[in-house]
Parts: sequence; C-alpha cells; structure tokens
Amino acid sequence: DAGITQSPRHKVTETGTPVTLRCHQTENHRYMYWYRQDPGHGLRLIHYSYGVKDTDKGEVSDGYSVSRSKTEDFLLTLESATSSQTSVYFCAISEGVRNEQFFGPGTRLTVL
Amino acid sequence: GQNIDQPTEMTATEGAIVQINCTYQTSGFNGLFWYQQHAGEAPTFLSYNVLDGLEEKGRFSSFLSRSKGYSYLLLKELQMKDSASYLCAVPMDSNYQLIWGAGTKLIIKP
Repeated sequence: DAGITQSPRHKVTETGTPVTLRCHQTENHRYMYWYRQDPGHGLRLIHYSYGVKDTDKGEVSDGYSVSRSKTEDFLLTLESATSSQTSVYFCAISEGVRNEQFFGPGTRLTVL
Repeated sequence: GQNIDQPTEMTATEGAIVQINCTYQTSGFNGLFWYQQHAGEAPTFLSYNVLDGLEEKGRFSSFLSRSKGYSYLLLKELQMKDSASYLCAVPMDSNYQLIWGAGTKLIIKP
C-alpha cells in the first residue's frame, strides 16, 4: 500500500472556526489531491498540487485553500468553516503514470 | 463537457454474477479506471483499461469500448465482502486529474 496518512482522522468544529487538514506521503509522488465525498456526489476535487508550491483549483475550491511547502505534505485549510463543509475529505497521490491515484484513509469533518 | 454516468445502486445474490456499467463523455481518452470503496474506507484501485476489450483479473473483469464510450465491471462468484461502492473514473485532458462517477453501491444478499 502507498504510504499516505491523513490527520486528524475525525474532527468536530464550530461554524466560523479555521480548520487545517494534513496529508503526508512517504512515496515521493509528484501529484497530490484533496477531494471531498458527499452522498450522491461522489468524489469532487477541491485543489491539487503538481509540485512543491505549485497548486491549482478543482471544481469545488470556494472556501478552501491549500499549501505544499514540501513534497511529502499537502495541507488543506478551511479559513472559516461552514456547515456545508461537513464531509469526508480524502487525500490522494499520483506519480502521473496513467494517473493512477492512491488514497489516504480520509478525514471525517463535522461543522456544527 | 466531460461526464460519467453509473447506476446508483444494484442488488445481487451471493454466488451470482453482476455487471456494473459506466458510460462516459470526454473530449479525449486516456484510459478508464475502476475503484472499489467499502463503506467508511478509502477507494482502492481495481482495474485500468486503455484498449478495447476485456481485461480479466481473478473474479473481476473490466470491459471497454472506446467507440461507444462504455465500460463495465463484471464480478463473478459474488461474495458478501464484495458489498461496496464501485467508482468509474477517466483522466481529464490534462491527464493528471480524474473525473469520477458518483459510484454504484452494490448490495449482496445471501
């Protein structure tokens, strides 16, 4: 299995508070992704990174920001959490070869 | 635009065969993935097709028809542990993003 960890695994927070989710990989893969998964919507891309300090928006990026200062770490920040951001968040990595993606275990975030 | 369609839910009987379909619309084509996702877990890779035809891997097979924009995942000798969601995905033109279907929830009954 690809070495991907996410922290925290579960978090409950209140509306308006900042939240940062961390994805850490030990595979030295170039590409990293943040998805959210909600019933009926499948996986939706929030942001992705194609290298250190190289990031771009996905289809549902509003209200989220990301940073990648090292190859192994990709941070997702909710500047001011809202109840609509209650979801399961998955990090994924890829080396780009046929774009096969490997997923972390996920973070379940609840915003009250 | 680019789009993927899959049935929302399917039910099958233990020991039987089930076929999960996926249709896609993309401006280019760089292969098609199938992933399995058990409830509460992360998606895991099942198969990848880039050429037309059937790829067999044990009890699971995946078929692709590029001219029809169609794929299916065939699961044989169903076991209770096959109860999961099955996700179809295709690379975007940029080839480092994937477009995901909403997934097909497969329920296996004894």
